Amino acid sequence: SYELTQQPSVSVSPGRTARITCSGDGLEENFVAWYQQKPGRAPILVIFEDNERNHGIPERFSGSTSGNTTTLIISRVVSEDEADYYCSSREEDSFWVFGGGTKLTVL
Amino acid sequence: EVQLVQSGVEVKKPGESLKISCKGSEYSFTSFWIGWVRQLPGRGLECMGVINPSDSDTRYSPSFQGQVIISADKSIKTAYLQWVSLKASDTATYYCARLNSALTDAFDIWGQGTEVTVSA
Repeated sequence: SYELTQQPSVSVSPGRTARITCSGDGLEENFVAWYQQKPGRAPILVIFEDNERNHGIPERFSGSTSGNTTTLIISRVVSEDEADYYCSSREEDSFWVFGGGTKLTVL
Repeated sequence: EVQLVQSGVEVKKPGESLKISCKGSEYSFTSFWIGWVRQLPGRGLECMGVINPSDSDTRYSPSFQGQVIISADKSIKTAYLQWVSLKASDTATYYCARLNSALTDAFDIWGQGTEVTVSA
């Protein structure tokens, strides 16, 4: 079955750049979306189509893809960025799959 | 404001039935598929299934096929997730989310979540 792999945690100091990766077979052919979820809250869509920001999302958030790995890049990290981040994708005629999530800690 | 509003917290016993709801507002409800996503306590997100409210065409993730029933009533702009016989392992938070084909099928609007606890 289709699987997406994320690192469990990433720590970054305020003002630095955080990179959260998502790996999976087929990511070269399939678009990835990224979701941010804060404790006790519903997820929100941050990035779609690998690197397109959803409306209202700061320009500090961007995405990039290389081979079978997609990366969520958060520049100039601030404390409010602390959250769980999930990647999601699907193969054609298959179902949406989420990565296991990455907990971003702002030091 | 475009939003999905879900029904409230549920506490049930094993073997009981349950139907939770998700009501859309301020957008054309029949123009977007709705998905249901499970989040077990302290765990990640899992897509259970999706439904087209315009004709109730429903697709289930293989992991959830036969375990839940997804339905919709377009006249009242509401989607549903239903269990016939709950198990303790169904304890989770359930989210509905709007699937936006213009955003390459990303879930762009999410409900606030419905927390379901199943315990004897």
